[in-house]
Amino acid sequence: AQSVSQHNHHVILSEAASLELGCNYSYGGTVNLFWYVQYPGQHLQLLLKYFSGDPLVKGIKGFEAEFIKSKFSFNLRKPSVQWSDTAEYFCAVIPPMNYGGSQGNLIFGKGTKLSVKP
Amino acid sequence: DTGVSQDPRHKITKRGQNVTFRCDPISEHNRLYWYRQTLGQGPEFLTYFQNEAQLEKSRLLSDRFSAERPKGSFSTLEIQRTEQGDSAMYLCASSPRAGDGANVLTFGAGSRLTVL
Repeated sequence: AQSVSQHNHHVILSEAASLELGCNYSYGGTVNLFWYVQYPGQHLQLLLKYFSGDPLVKGIKGFEAEFIKSKFSFNLRKPSVQWSDTAEYFCAVIPPMNYGGSQGNLIFGKGTKLSVKP
Repeated sequence: DTGVSQDPRHKITKRGQNVTFRCDPISEHNRLYWYRQTLGQGPEFLTYFQNEAQLEKSRLLSDRFSAERPKGSFSTLEIQRTEQGDSAMYLCASSPRAGDGANVLTFGAGSRLTVL
């Protein structure tokens, strides 16, 4: 089945460690890609998005993601995490229309919980 | 607060009862979306509106689920004859109509449903 896969369910890091969260999708063609974050007790917030252009996308709070079309990947990175980055991170894709993609129909991964130890 | 508002934040009901959730989108957003999120999963798309028109409803989970946006502003999601499997967080989101922003969704805090 077509899907979005996030490889890690729970990642635990110490402050200042580097972060990379994996995201792979299984749709061919043109996709729109997103990372959303949900801090404890808060609603989903957009971290960054990729629609076209430079495959290295910079988002808020020092996060970035790289779209690698050949690998169907959109991994999220941050060079040095802080305790305040503790949250759940969701990768999401709008597939092409021939895969059932439609306006605002984001296909989400299951999420990765990040715990940062002070 | 100019974000997406959802009400109630938490609803506990008995199996077989009907429940209704309300969503007030960001005022300048024409598009409104409903998603459902169950434990350990990412959000799952249910339906969306552009103004008052419901443009996608094939992903509503069953005919017990219905959504309306009668005046193109707030929306309601109703679940009839609730079942325990309906227990989940129901998320509303909105976006502008045009341009790249049309696919950038702003989410509300959600309405958590518990069916006993």
